Amino acid sequence: AQKITQTQPGMFVQEKEAVTLDCTYDTSDQSYGLFWYKQPSSGEMIFLIYQGSYDEQNATEGRYSLNFQKARKSANLVISASQLGDSAMYFCAMRDYNQGGKLIFGQGTELSVKP
Amino acid sequence: DVKVTQSSRYLVKRTGEKVFLECVQDMDHENMFWYRQDPGLGLRLIYFSYDVKMKEKGDIPEGYSVSREKKERFSLILESASTNQTSMYLCASSVGGSNTEAFFGQGTRLTVV
Repeated sequence: AQKITQTQPGMFVQEKEAVTLDCTYDTSDQSYGLFWYKQPSSGEMIFLIYQGSYDEQNATEGRYSLNFQKARKSANLVISASQLGDSAMYFCAMRDYNQGGKLIFGQGTELSVKP
Repeated sequence: DVKVTQSSRYLVKRTGEKVFLECVQDMDHENMFWYRQDPGLGLRLIYFSYDVKMKEKGDIPEGYSVSREKKERFSLILESASTNQTSMYLCASSVGGSNTEAFFGQGTRLTVV
């Protein structure tokens, strides 16, 4: 069965420093996609970054990058130069194309950025 | 601009009531999803639909059913609400079987008393 695991319930980071949020996944399929979402206290779900299972290069979007290690089944999110507005819940998610596009999420990591 | 709209932001229902949560998307997406979000548990998939009248159980379907009679609308039904169904419910939609992200509604905070 598919599974996403985020082992860090909460993280603190100093403003302007980089932080890595961990995500491991489990699937027996070869074709899948990995996503990261941000959920601020307002509750909206904001898409951050995507990585396909066949992509050879790590995805990057501005200050966000995804450290994709396929053999280890990990897809960690790296946020560079943290800002106060980065304080939020962060969710890792996986989409399995062989199951009709089913999208499952991890437990989330609450990130707090300190001034 | 893409839009997923959930019918209510807050809802209070009594134990045993039949509850309908409605979700509408205006993007002609094939896939639609219902999740519940609880602290420490993340988003758990209740049901998803990959086409009109098609549905698949997610990880926690017990106590819930869904309906998708039209492409743009996906309804979550609590046949007999119980207090352990008090939660935040999130609806999402996406292009089917692709590498694109899902778009979320604003959520419905359901309280069952």
